[in-house]
Amino acid sequence: SQQGEEDPQALSIQEGENATMNCSYKTSINNLQWYRQNSGRGLVHLILIRSNEREKHSGRLRVTLDTSKKSSSLLITASRAADTASYFCATVPSGAGSYQLTFGKGTKLSVIP
Amino acid sequence: NAGVMQNPRHLVRRRGQEARLRCSPMKGHSHVYWYRQLPEEGLKFMVYLQKENIIDESGMPKERFSAEFPKEGPSILRIQQVVRGDSAAYFCASSPPNKGQRSYGYTFGSGTRLTVV
Repeated sequence: SQQGEEDPQALSIQEGENATMNCSYKTSINNLQWYRQNSGRGLVHLILIRSNEREKHSGRLRVTLDTSKKSSSLLITASRAADTASYFCATVPSGAGSYQLTFGKGTKLSVIP
Repeated sequence: NAGVMQNPRHLVRRRGQEARLRCSPMKGHSHVYWYRQLPEEGLKFMVYLQKENIIDESGMPKERFSAEFPKEGPSILRIQQVVRGDSAAYFCASSPPNKGQRSYGYTFGSGTRLTVV
């Protein structure tokens, strides 16, 4: 099965609401990263959380990591129409091959003005 | 700093032709990573190169695909005798030398969208 599965696959919310996306993974990780991809564009790195961290904030973004459950969540507060994009989690494994990012299929977020 | 530059942005090839995708890393970066994204999927690792060296090509198909990163010039991902299944977006990322690849985010280029007709 694929490492880094996001949930839900698609999410539609009103502007101003909070958006929560979840990610599960299967193997031991060194860190977990979240990326955003606007339609037809490249990926933009949002935030990285190390395996020994439990929570991290960056502006309107809050990421949590639970290594015992092998899961992470990304919370976007006070969403804006410009947040409309696909969001991917990506894991970097511990040990050998630790430069490889393994991506999930992403959550497609639509923020309605 | 112009970021990671990829060209062309869009490439259309007929079945059987060759596709050459180019990636210029960020200034000062000597490590390049290529990823492929199929429609509605996440990115999949293909190959990791340093200048004049292929470090890990475990994600790259054994046939028809090759990658290089010469001492001078961009990294090239080459797909020979393309087939419809090669249609995808191809992204590259770069990182600096002697930096722990483990613990920082990657900068990706905008990608090359290959369509095989």
